[in-house]
Amino acid sequence: EAQVTQNPRYLITVTGKKLTVTCSQNMNHEYMSWYRQDPGLGLRQIYYSMNVEVTDKGDVPEGYKVSRKEKRNFPLILESPSPNQTSLYFCASSLLGPQGNQPQHFGDGTRLSIL
Amino acid sequence: QQPVQSPQAVILREGEDAVINCSSSKALYSVHWYRQKHGEAPVFLMILLKGGEQKGHEKISASFNEKKQQSSLYLTASQLSYSGTYFCGTERSQGNLIFGKGTKLSVKP
Repeated sequence: EAQVTQNPRYLITVTGKKLTVTCSQNMNHEYMSWYRQDPGLGLRQIYYSMNVEVTDKGDVPEGYKVSRKEKRNFPLILESPSPNQTSLYFCASSLLGPQGNQPQHFGDGTRLSIL
Repeated sequence: QQPVQSPQAVILREGEDAVINCSSSKALYSVHWYRQKHGEAPVFLMILLKGGEQKGHEKISASFNEKKQQSSLYLTASQLSYSGTYFCGTERSQGNLIFGKGTKLSVKP
């Protein structure tokens, strides 16, 4: 089944404790992206990757890191999480990205709470 | 800068029609529409390209007017399953997709 898989689905952690949210897709997509969703603010792009070894900042990249060493994986790293990073996070992928007029497939989301 | 969606929320009865607008202060090359049901991931509806084309998905259609820098989503004879939050997205630069804050649609029996 074609899908985008995020792990974990839920995480409660404390300020300053490094964490990684994994994202994997099995559709051989070139483009992957991370979004955070907060009430009343919609989906805001954190980072995106046009293809392997190429990543770019979205609108809210502060406090986050990403890497794209393989086509299928695009982990989101919070090196020193803070409470303002408490949010619902979505990973998405598409064949070529928005400029290729391709739909994005979203993972089920990761709900992160940082105390 | 995020595209602006209106209205922010709308309540309908089954069978009624609705229009959701998405406008941008910058030139638009394409508009992407997604729907998100409560507790679920966003799901792709359609992409509109320059040229004023219209597209359809179920009884949902959309138009794109690049002169007005606006896209509109039309929901005809709404069904309970149409309930959710609708997001439009525009591309600021290659790969950088900016979504509006969403329009919450509630369809009542």
